[in-house]
Amino acid sequence: GAGVSQTPSNKVTEKGKYVELRCDPISGHTALYWYRQSLGQGPEFLIYFQGTGAADDSGLPNDRFFAVRPEGSVSTLKIQRTERGDSAVYLCASSLTANQPQHFGDGTRLSIL
Amino acid sequence: SQQGEEDPQALSIQEGENATMNCSYKTSINNLQWYRQNSGRGLVHLILIRSNEREKHSGRLRVTLDTSKKSSSLLITASRAADTASYFCATEEGGYNKLIFGAGTRLAVHP
Repeated sequence: GAGVSQTPSNKVTEKGKYVELRCDPISGHTALYWYRQSLGQGPEFLIYFQGTGAADDSGLPNDRFFAVRPEGSVSTLKIQRTERGDSAVYLCASSLTANQPQHFGDGTRLSIL
Repeated sequence: SQQGEEDPQALSIQEGENATMNCSYKTSINNLQWYRQNSGRGLVHLILIRSNEREKHSGRLRVTLDTSKKSSSLLITASRAADTASYFCATEEGGYNKLIFGAGTRLAVHP
């Protein structure tokens, strides 16, 4: 009965580097969401996948951010040319279908030095 | 941008007391959800109330919704130290559960 798994749990890297954050959703969940949470704030929506396709990527801040879900299960959030302002906790959530409650992973804490 | 605003930002109470958190939002909604987040962890879904409902209960939780005032409240009765967490309200956009969260209320329950 595994929940949503996110790896790594922590990532520290230098400004300008490329990072990949991984999300393993609950098996069978078709909907997958990425959120970003800054300190003391609520999560902010980044992108929503239904199956393999990104149905809504309106929350991605700019073109340095990209996410994929090639087989409709695992998803990877990719950030190019990282900036200090990208530092945050990146949360992934999945749900059985899009109108069901979301199950969250514990997030990846990203720190850009 | 964030849709909801929680009030208060922080709340400190003793075990056994009730805790009330409020949430205001800006646009029309289909439903409103409450989530709990323990420090360093992901969010846990607590309860969903639909726009045509006024009150909903789940165990020690009571949620109310006033669509005319665009506000909701979460009441935790007989609080326990384990209830210490941040609580967020969230509204849904897009018809596919794209959640828009408020900034949260940090609740501390002291033994």
